[in-house]
Amino acid sequence: RKEVEQDPGPFNVPEGATVAFNCTYSNSASQSFFWYRQDCRKEPKLLMSVYSSGNEDGRFTAQLNRASQYISLLIRDSKLSDSATYLCVVNMPATTSGTYKYIFGTGTRLKVLA
Amino acid sequence: DTEVTQTPKHLVMGMTNKKSLKCEQHMGHRAMYWYKQKAKKPPELMFVYSYEKLSINESVPSRFSPECPNSSLLNLHLHALQPEDSALYLCASSQEEQSSYEQYFGPGTRLTVT
Repeated sequence: RKEVEQDPGPFNVPEGATVAFNCTYSNSASQSFFWYRQDCRKEPKLLMSVYSSGNEDGRFTAQLNRASQYISLLIRDSKLSDSATYLCVVNMPATTSGTYKYIFGTGTRLKVLA
Repeated sequence: DTEVTQTPKHLVMGMTNKKSLKCEQHMGHRAMYWYKQKAKKPPELMFVYSYEKLSINESVPSRFSPECPNSSLLNLHLHALQPEDSALYLCASSQEEQSSYEQYFGPGTRLTVT
């Protein structure tokens, strides 16, 4: 089982639609969780951190379910400019004792259609 | 300012060349990272430096040699690379290694090995 798993998509949605991505992680000792957005041939950019209580930033809502070990990202009122790959990142214990590392999911491609 | 800079943006090198990639941040972050990213794949962790000391080496071949001259700078020295090493090399930083802090990425160096 991969440490962090995402549905690769692509998700093709019309403008204005609501779309949700899920990400599951294997290590229950994982410490922190993030969503990044990556445009083609660019670096990943932080979209939002994910907190236990859930958090919202404009049209974006992230949630964490520690019991089921998954995080989600909801995008409301999709815009053409939301087209990108969305990467789930989990900070979990490394095999080396006492260290943590950031593990990336494979990413989910989103294409918003006019 | 959440800027991480990387030079050069593009690099073409032969298999017998020696070159270096450079990364700089002025956010006072104490953890810095090198990632390798192939097309349509997520970033793969190579090295982590924490407080200027190598913390994680993900079994990277010795033809890649990291260096952290000070808390703001991170280098990746390249020697005798193979064509399969062609990829986007991303540098990132975070406030601490073992924490819930977000990572910020530089724009990357696109490396082609001929």
